[in-house]
Amino acid sequence: AQSVTQLDSQVPVFEEAPVELRCNYSSSVSVYLFWYVQYPNQGLQLLLKYLSGSTLVKGINGFEAEFNKSQTSFHLRKPSVHISDTAEYFCAVKTSYDKVIFGPGTSLSVIP
Amino acid sequence: EPEVTQTPSHQVTQMGQEVILRCVPISNHLYFYWYRQILGQKVEFLVSFYNNEISEKSEIFDDQFSVERPDGSNFTLKIRSTKLEDSAMYFCASSLTGGETEAFFGQGTRLTVV
Repeated sequence: AQSVTQLDSQVPVFEEAPVELRCNYSSSVSVYLFWYVQYPNQGLQLLLKYLSGSTLVKGINGFEAEFNKSQTSFHLRKPSVHISDTAEYFCAVKTSYDKVIFGPGTSLSVIP
Repeated sequence: EPEVTQTPSHQVTQMGQEVILRCVPISNHLYFYWYRQILGQKVEFLVSFYNNEISEKSEIFDDQFSVERPDGSNFTLKIRSTKLEDSAMYFCASSLTGGETEAFFGQGTRLTVV
């Protein structure tokens, strides 16, 4: 079975500072990896995805993530955050013909 | 851009009542899912549906829950006798295939059981 770990439940960061949200996964088979963002009282929006190919993937709103198979990680980064990035971020994993499994989420708070 | 739509956005129901949450998946998608997110907690898988039958369900998806694709476009989640602990955000999702494709999520239905 697959699982996703997000070690940081809350990450406060000052505006315009860089941020990294950590994600590690466990799976015995090849996986597809995703980051979703959930703004307060809203649904899930896909930030970016890794399906195959280049291990560095770029998403919306200036976010990027790097797939590291040896470390089973898919950390999310942004070089300079804005107030509007304050939200809950979910890392998720999916295998072929299987459901999406979500991590517990990381709450990003951007401080003015 | 095609999207998954869910109705209603917010549903309030009395404990013990039946509730039906509705979803319209993206039209050419073949796989359908329901997820639940209790307030402040993680997004949990409930059930997946393919070829007009349940392909997988979680421990949460007990006999009180059922899913249906009644008319080829809608995908519904029914809770027969709601409990207070069923209060949550329910997300519908669909994917083109079960393999190397992402799942597209709806905006969710917030269910409040009183």
